[in-house]
Amino acid sequence: DVKVTQSSRYLVKRTGEKVFLECVQDMDHENMFWYRQDPGLGLRLIYFSYDVKMKEKGDIPEGYSVSREKKERFSLILESASTNQTSMYLCATVGQPDTGELFFGEGSRLTVL
Amino acid sequence: DAKTTQPPSMDCAEGRAANLPCNHSTISGNEYVYWYRQIHSQGPQYIIHGLKNNETNEMASLIITEDRKSSTLILPHATLRDTAVYYCIVAVNSGYSTLTFGKGTMLLVSP
Repeated sequence: DVKVTQSSRYLVKRTGEKVFLECVQDMDHENMFWYRQDPGLGLRLIYFSYDVKMKEKGDIPEGYSVSREKKERFSLILESASTNQTSMYLCATVGQPDTGELFFGEGSRLTVL
Repeated sequence: DAKTTQPPSMDCAEGRAANLPCNHSTISGNEYVYWYRQIHSQGPQYIIHGLKNNETNEMASLIITEDRKSSTLILPHATLRDTAVYYCIVAVNSGYSTLTFGKGTMLLVSP
């Protein structure tokens, strides 16, 4: 089974802090994704990466950056956290050939005070 | 603009079939219909997907109408563990799976 592991299930940070959310997958998949999930808004794509050192903006990239230095690891970075970034963050991966089957981690719930 | 329309909530008795509808009247010829579900406090889980033909796997069946403007996800014998939010998504299989999740249907399975 594909395993997608997110480093922290729950984080509490202060406004202005730099936040790193890490995601690791164990299936040698090329494509990885970061979503955020908010009540009433569903899941929204922040960034995705289809190869090491490659990244593409999703629907809501503002306020975020990403890093993909190794194939198995995809990090989401909040350079200066703000209260409107309080959310559930979900990492996902998909194998090749892409069947549309995304494998998600369990999520990281971030609270920014 | 929402590509799919789903009822916000549905109830189902344990052991009965759960039929979850989805309207996607503007679906394009190269767009697939995907279904995912999300159990509380977990990440979404893939269920099934299809293009034109009906599909079945160990989790569910997917019935797509001939005009492809709507579909139904069928859980043949719902259990309490099937209580979840179910998402219907239409998307091109572009190779990057940038699936857009809407609000879904909250399915409550009761004893």
